[in-house]
Amino acid sequence: DQQVKQNSPSLSVQEGRISILNCDYTNSMFDYFLWYKKYPAEGPTFLISISSIKDKNEDGRFTVFLNKSAKHLSLHIVPSQPGDSAVYFCAASEGGNKLVFGAGTILRVKS
Amino acid sequence: SQTIHQWPATLVQPVGSPLSLECTVEGTSNPNLYWYRQAAGRGLQLLFYSVGIGQISSEVPQNLSASRPQDRQFILSSKKLLLSDSGFYLCAWSVGVGGADTQYFGPGTRLTVL
Repeated sequence: DQQVKQNSPSLSVQEGRISILNCDYTNSMFDYFLWYKKYPAEGPTFLISISSIKDKNEDGRFTVFLNKSAKHLSLHIVPSQPGDSAVYFCAASEGGNKLVFGAGTILRVKS
Repeated sequence: SQTIHQWPATLVQPVGSPLSLECTVEGTSNPNLYWYRQAAGRGLQLLFYSVGIGQISSEVPQNLSASRPQDRQFILSSKKLLLSDSGFYLCAWSVGVGGADTQYFGPGTRLTVL
């Protein structure tokens, strides 16, 4: 039972353009959502998070949007840079400290 | 600032051999600690988590066990490795008592069981 789904295994974007990574979830009790970035053979790096009481959180080039009615969140990266090429994981938690991760989306930013 | 260490970085072990992976955290007290595994092309699967010394919760029944002998030390073990234990093992820490609790990951251990 996949509670957190990232339906796009990969995404290719031109440098300078916007990257939009999507994530869907099924558990309506999730109240905290996070995005992580991972390079090969390294641990994931925390990027940005959002609480369920908000619908948007912005940090520099990264913005996360949450649509609770659709059980959908997205990560926008503007402008995209070649160094953004990595695997992006979304994760969610329900009132506690256990995270449920999606399978990840590989982002390739072409220069 | 907080740092998290994992070792070894890579490990090749024969089937049936024992396993011990270690994780330590510096710069924080009483962290929550986690072990995850990432199989090839898959997401991160939570294996164990601990909210304190000697307190271990297992998420997935399997061939592995975890222990927390000290506040900032978390160990992943196996008595006899299986081929299916191959993967990328990640330790993570967080602080907090629920709610918005961001986890921070170590560099990982690549385990290959032959």
